[in-house]
Amino acid sequence: SQQGEEDPQALSIQEGENATMNCSYKTSINNLQWYRQNSGRGLVHLILIRSNEREKHSGRLRVTLDTSKKSSSLLITASRAADTASYFCATRRSGTASKLTFGTGTRLQVTL
Amino acid sequence: EAQVTQNPRYLITVTGKKLTVTCSQNMNHEYMSWYRQDPGLGLRQIYYSMNVEVTDKGDVPEGYKVSRKEKRNFPLILESPSPNQTSLYFCASSSLVSSYNEQFFGPGTRLTVL
Repeated sequence: SQQGEEDPQALSIQEGENATMNCSYKTSINNLQWYRQNSGRGLVHLILIRSNEREKHSGRLRVTLDTSKKSSSLLITASRAADTASYFCATRRSGTASKLTFGTGTRLQVTL
Repeated sequence: EAQVTQNPRYLITVTGKKLTVTCSQNMNHEYMSWYRQDPGLGLRQIYYSMNVEVTDKGDVPEGYKVSRKEKRNFPLILESPSPNQTSLYFCASSSLVSSYNEQFFGPGTRLTVL
C-alpha cells in the first residue's frame, strides 16, 4: 500500500527558481526521508527528519514536517539544471525496525 | 567505497526460465531489501531481511523468493518469471544499529520477461 503520496507529480521550473514538493502520508511515523533518483538509476538519500522535528536544512534543501497534518515538504532553493531528477518521500512507520514505504515521486525538470 | 552492487544490470529472459539477481553490500548492514519500480507506482517492497536467515514478505512478494545465508548477500530469485514481472529492480541496505536509518541503493536491474 502507498504510504506517501507526492504532489505535484511533475514540476517544471527555470534555473534559479525554488522548487517545492509535498508529501502526504497516512499512519504514524518514526521518521520521513527524501530520496533523489536520476533517470533509471538507484535512489540516493537526501535528508531525514524525525517525527519530533519540524524543520531541517541541508545545503539548498529545506524539509518541513507537520505530523498533525501528516505531511512534509521539500524545498530546493536556487535550482540548477543538475537538480533535474525524481524525488521520493519515504516513511518509516512507528514500531517498524527499518521498513520504508515510498511514495510515487515528483519528477522535477529544471531548464536553463 | 561503501556500496551496494547488483548483477546483472540488464536481463532479457523468457517466461518460465528461472533466474537470480544478486545483491551484495560491503557496509556490514543488517537490513537488506528488494524493491520493484514500475511507472506510476513508485517503489514497492518485495522482500526484506533483518539479518542472516531472517527474511519476510514485503508488499508484493508473489512470484519471488529470497535467501540470506550471508550478511552481505541477498539474492532475488524468480523461479518461473512471467511478463508481469518485467520491471526495474533495486536492492537496498541499511544499518539497524544507526538511528539515522538511511537506505543505500544499488544501481538497479532492468528485467524484461518475454
